[in-house]
Amino acid sequence: EAGVAQSPRYKIIEKRQSVAFWCNPISGHATLYWYQQILGQGPKLLIQFQNNGVVDDSQLPKDRFSAERLKGVDSTLKIQPAKLEDSAVYLCASSFGATPGEQYFGPGTRLTVT
Amino acid sequence: QKEVEQNSGPLSVPEGAIASLNCTYSDRGSQSFFWYRQYSGKSPELIMFIYSNGDKEDGRFTAQLNKASQYVSLLIRDSQPSDSATYLCAGSGGSYIPTFGRGTSLIVHP
Repeated sequence: EAGVAQSPRYKIIEKRQSVAFWCNPISGHATLYWYQQILGQGPKLLIQFQNNGVVDDSQLPKDRFSAERLKGVDSTLKIQPAKLEDSAVYLCASSFGATPGEQYFGPGTRLTVT
Repeated sequence: QKEVEQNSGPLSVPEGAIASLNCTYSDRGSQSFFWYRQYSGKSPELIMFIYSNGDKEDGRFTAQLNKASQYVSLLIRDSQPSDSATYLCAGSGGSYIPTFGRGTSLIVHP
């Protein structure tokens, strides 16, 4: 079974630039999560999708971050414009059902904003 | 605000000892709890989940949940150097929205 795919793996941008991350979940997984993990901290949920609907986006900075999951499969997360404090690893995870504990994480995208 | 608290460590134990990792949570509505292991530079991977009060054992790992005290723990028996990692505790309530702690760094030395 193929795992969660993410790209790119690494990205370096200057502040005020824009960036997009892509995630392809495990086939058949209805729930998709985007997390931000800053060095030394636990993952912080940014947005959770159930199929192509948003379950929770309360911690998504909507003035600069956006995410979509068209057709209920893969997803993109965009930051525009980026700030220095956005430097982090962005993790995508998916689960078959709504139970978050059974989620599988992708390798992550390490973003550095200079 | 829902919070999951963990001591960041590091917790250092000798090889073969029992490592005890602890977690407290603020949301009494939390129903499900999860322990993830995260090696440096890697993604989290699920070790165990627990929903009911009491103990749950899986090989060398035992998860313990005390909902009255809002306390979750993970015991690792016969610790090995390969267990050295950061252990993340996460909880979720009826909405299934997960909240992670900051993780505890475990070092198992030979």
